[in-house]
Amino acid sequence: DQQVKQNSPSLSVQEGRISILNCDYTNSMFDYFLWYKKYPAEGPTFLISISSIKDKNEDGRFTVFLNKSAKHLSLHIVPSQPGDSAVYFCASHGSGNTGKLIFGQGTTLQVKP
Amino acid sequence: EPEVTQTPSHQVTQMGQEVILRCVPISNHLYFYWYRQILGQKVEFLVSFYNNEISEKSEIFDDQFSVERPDGSNFTLKIRSTKLEDSAMYFCASSEPYRVQPQHFGDGTRLSIL
Repeated sequence: DQQVKQNSPSLSVQEGRISILNCDYTNSMFDYFLWYKKYPAEGPTFLISISSIKDKNEDGRFTVFLNKSAKHLSLHIVPSQPGDSAVYFCASHGSGNTGKLIFGQGTTLQVKP
Repeated sequence: EPEVTQTPSHQVTQMGQEVILRCVPISNHLYFYWYRQILGQKVEFLVSFYNNEISEKSEIFDDQFSVERPDGSNFTLKIRSTKLEDSAMYFCASSEPYRVQPQHFGDGTRLSIL
């Protein structure tokens, strides 16, 4: 079973506050996770990744947390900015060795000024 | 910053016709991928390509689909006889050795089958 799920289709936050986007996966063999941001009419842009040997990775305003026992990861954006408004996709490498990415459905983030 | 380039940005084709979508991956990348996103649905994996051969393909990638790296820079996806359900955004991606490097995506080709 190879699924990645983002159960919140949308999220609205105020500028300057924290945005928390959530993602769940079903296969405990998944070992590398990525977050992408997508603007309309553009391709997904890589944001941040995390390997299963870690539980946290931070890059500027973006932090990804991984809870392997719960098969859950989250992306924290703080402080949120209006330019962060986009669709955010969680993705995982599949359990094979070919680099195949399995995507969640995406969460649309709106950051209000 | 290097980027993945896809052409055309929009392709309109009659059902049953052949279509070729083109991609120029980032120059030092070795792994190449095609994904598609049907309107309102998830981004779906189609195929991965390394060392001039397919490494993995999804069940979507049937005999109507093929990929090729005809020279040192281009990576193409061909759909031999298009169907209405092939209408989607098609994204090309490339990466360095995948285990520790993310895939970088182009802006996609919107394929519309009439």
